[in-house]
Amino acid sequence: DAEITQSPRHKITETGRQVTLACHQTWNHNNMFWYRQDLGHGLRLIHYSYGVQDTNKGEVSDGYSVSRSNTEDLPLTLESAASSQTSVYFCASSLDSSSYNEQFFGPGTRLTVL
Amino acid sequence: DAKTTQPTSMDCAEGRAANLPCNHSTISGNEYVYWYRQIHSQGPQYIIHGLKNNETNEMASLIITEDRKSSTLILPHATLRDTAVYYCIVRVGPNTGNQFYFGTGTSLTVIP
Repeated sequence: DAEITQSPRHKITETGRQVTLACHQTWNHNNMFWYRQDLGHGLRLIHYSYGVQDTNKGEVSDGYSVSRSNTEDLPLTLESAASSQTSVYFCASSLDSSSYNEQFFGPGTRLTVL
Repeated sequence: DAKTTQPTSMDCAEGRAANLPCNHSTISGNEYVYWYRQIHSQGPQYIIHGLKNNETNEMASLIITEDRKSSTLILPHATLRDTAVYYCIVRVGPNTGNQFYFGTGTSLTVIP
């Protein structure tokens, strides 16, 4: 069955380290998204992509980067991890930009920056 | 500013209908209303969406007011497994593709 996976599920790192979170979907969806979730803030959009070689900044993009070299993957990189980036990260995908397309979410990655 | 306004929390007795309200007074004419829910520690799960007409699926019903400024998600027979945070979402702008703005949602507790 088609699915969306994230790895690792849990990660502990130190301040200043570079960290990459993986997101992989097998639905052949054009759109992919990264959100972070913190208490009191709901989910906030970090970056998104509408297709290969396309990336866009979301609401809270500072300190994060993404690249889209193929349809299936959208890795999220924290260039220099900070304690403020301790959060739960969710990846999502949707078929295309049509207004009626739902987003499918991965299981999340819990990142702790010490 | 928030795109949607929802109560912070609600309780519902098991077996009864859960009615979750949402205000979206600034919604544009071509923006859909989506509902997702998030069970503790899991990724959000799609429930239902609509534009103007009321919608029903196997999970829930969505009632949208005629002026489209508010909507209600109805879980007809709530079970303990429906305890979750429910997010009412409208798309952010007509030219921004499929972005969603998630607020803080409504924490629904189904009571035995």
